[in-house]
Amino acid sequence: QQPVQSPQAVILREGEDAVINCSSSKALYSVHWYRQKHGEAPIFLMILLKGGEQKGHDKISASFNEKKQQSSLYLTASQLSYSGTYFCGTETIYNQGGKLIFGQGTELSVKP
Amino acid sequence: DTGVSQDPRHKITKRGQNVTFRCDPISEHNRLYWYRQTLGQGPEFLTYFQNEAQLEKSRLLSDRFSAERPKGSFSTLEIQRTEQGDSAMYLCASRDDRGRNEKLFFGSGTQLSVL
Repeated sequence: QQPVQSPQAVILREGEDAVINCSSSKALYSVHWYRQKHGEAPIFLMILLKGGEQKGHDKISASFNEKKQQSSLYLTASQLSYSGTYFCGTETIYNQGGKLIFGQGTELSVKP
Repeated sequence: DTGVSQDPRHKITKRGQNVTFRCDPISEHNRLYWYRQTLGQGPEFLTYFQNEAQLEKSRLLSDRFSAERPKGSFSTLEIQRTEQGDSAMYLCASRDDRGRNEKLFFGSGTQLSVL
């Protein structure tokens, strides 16, 4: 079953922060985050494993709450280059290393 | 590491024709995935392979779709008797599942337009 992302779309000014949420009804082993720009392939951002870890690099970080089967992606001090569509992809505990099921995406637009 | 490559980049076909797409994964990756993506949606899982074995195929996938990975290297996805609803971007991805935390590497996709 497809994870649900919220919000569907966000418009920011440069320097503003955003949070994108991903929620699943299944017990998760991992959550992957990807960004896709129009006409391009999705690009990997980070993976979070069950255990409630938090990761980050530069001004993009993410958390994973395995009890709630939820993950959040945090973008701080947004830059124009952050514009694109963000997808979470989930692996269940029954299918580790198998297929990733992606959410419907969150479109992020950063304006100058 | 040349990345995942897909061919062709674009395909225009008439309804009822058969089409075949090719994907060359990163050479040491043993898992290969096919996804379909339509405008405004996330990638939709179609099927995946571990080496030459097809491990899972989406139940939503019509029997007009077939995929192969004969020698555990490149893969082909064939769509028979194409329909207008098949118009989409077909993405291939690969990864090495022998470690933990393995991300998917996506190709640039094949954009299919069925007229």
